Parts: sequence; C-alpha cells; structure tokens
Amino acid sequence: EDQVTQSPEALRLQEGESSSLNCSYTVSGLRGLFWYRQDPGKGPEFLFTLYSAGEEKEKERLKATLTKKESFLHITAPKPEDSATYLCASYGQNFVFGPGTRLSVLP
Amino acid sequence: ETGVTQSPTHLIKTRGQQVTLRCSSQSGHNTVSWYQQALGQGPQFIFQYYREEENGRGNFPPRFSGLQFPNYSSELNVNALELDDSALYLCASSLESGRAYSGANVLTFGAGSRLTVL
Repeated sequence: EDQVTQSPEALRLQEGESSSLNCSYTVSGLRGLFWYRQDPGKGPEFLFTLYSAGEEKEKERLKATLTKKESFLHITAPKPEDSATYLCASYGQNFVFGPGTRLSVLP
Repeated sequence: ETGVTQSPTHLIKTRGQQVTLRCSSQSGHNTVSWYQQALGQGPQFIFQYYREEENGRGNFPPRFSGLQFPNYSSELNVNALELDDSALYLCASSLESGRAYSGANVLTFGAGSRLTVL
C-alpha cells in the first residue's frame, strides 16, 4: 500500500530563519511527487511536481528536491505570508497525500 | 478562466441522512476527483471520474457514490451518514489523457464543502 509521511508535524520559525520540511514516501511506480500549500479554509494550491530522483524545482523562497525515498521542501528566509500547511502527495495509481506540516513564520 | 467551485460551503446533517455535494470543474478540465479531509489530516482519495465514468476509487465504502456530467461537473453522494463522515470534502479537477501510465497532471482544488454530522 502506498504511504506518505511528513515531518515535522508543526514548525515555528522566525522571519528569515531557513529550514526544511521532509516527505517520506513508499509507492509502487512513482509517476510524480507533488507539493501543495493549504491556507486555512481553502483548498490545496499547487506548488511543484517532481518526477525523478535528483530533480529540483524552485519558486521564490521555496525549493523542492527529490530522492528515491524522500522529498524535501526547503524554505529560505521565510516571511509571515509563508505560514500555511504544506502537503506532500505521491502519485502512483492514485494520489496519496501526507498529513502535512503546519508552518508558522513569526515576524 | 474560472477555477473549481463547490457547493454548499457548509452543511449540517444528522446520522443516517443522505447528502449531495456539487462541484464545477475548471474550464478546460475533463477529470474530477473527490477527497475527504478530516481535521488535521491530509486529503484522502475517494474516487475519480473521467468521461462520466468512475476510473479510480480509494478505500471508501459503496455508500460513497458519485456522478460526472457531460459538462464535466460532478456530484458526490453519501448515504447513511455516520459521525466519522464529518470532514472537509474537496473536489479537484485536472486534464487527463486517459492513457494508463501517462504522467500525473496537476490537481486544481476547490475550497471544499464542510460537512458536520450530528
């Protein structure tokens, strides 16, 4: 059975304090590893798709990387507006989402 | 380009009742999938519809059923509601080729329907 776990469950950072979120996955025939951002009361919003180990993608202060068993979302010099829940999802036969990491960035 | 819209945004039902949730997909998308998100958890895949047929289902009982219409909008029906059905129900649309082993396409989510079962 495909599984996705994320750590930490919650993370509090000071503005400008860089950190990384972890996503570990077990999936048969990975066809894509996705990162989404979810704000309270809203649906998830797409950030990145990674397809193969070694791939990296960047968007503003975020960079996603992929290995054969894990993906990392690196946040460089975060701002309060980066506060959200970050969801990781694997796609094999179907999408399997992790429980998310709740990020709070304090001014 | 309109996004994914869902209705109603909130609703309260009692145990044993039935509920229908509705979703309009993003313009140009042909596939709709539904997810259940319990508080503090990630979304769980319920099922997906492509060309008006269910073509993927997660670990949910048959009392969860759905429809996709020719305009690609969709409904999620849940019969015999249970307390554990209380959750945020998310609809997502995407553009799929329908071919097995094709790459996954990006899901565009609606804001969800918050269901409370008392």
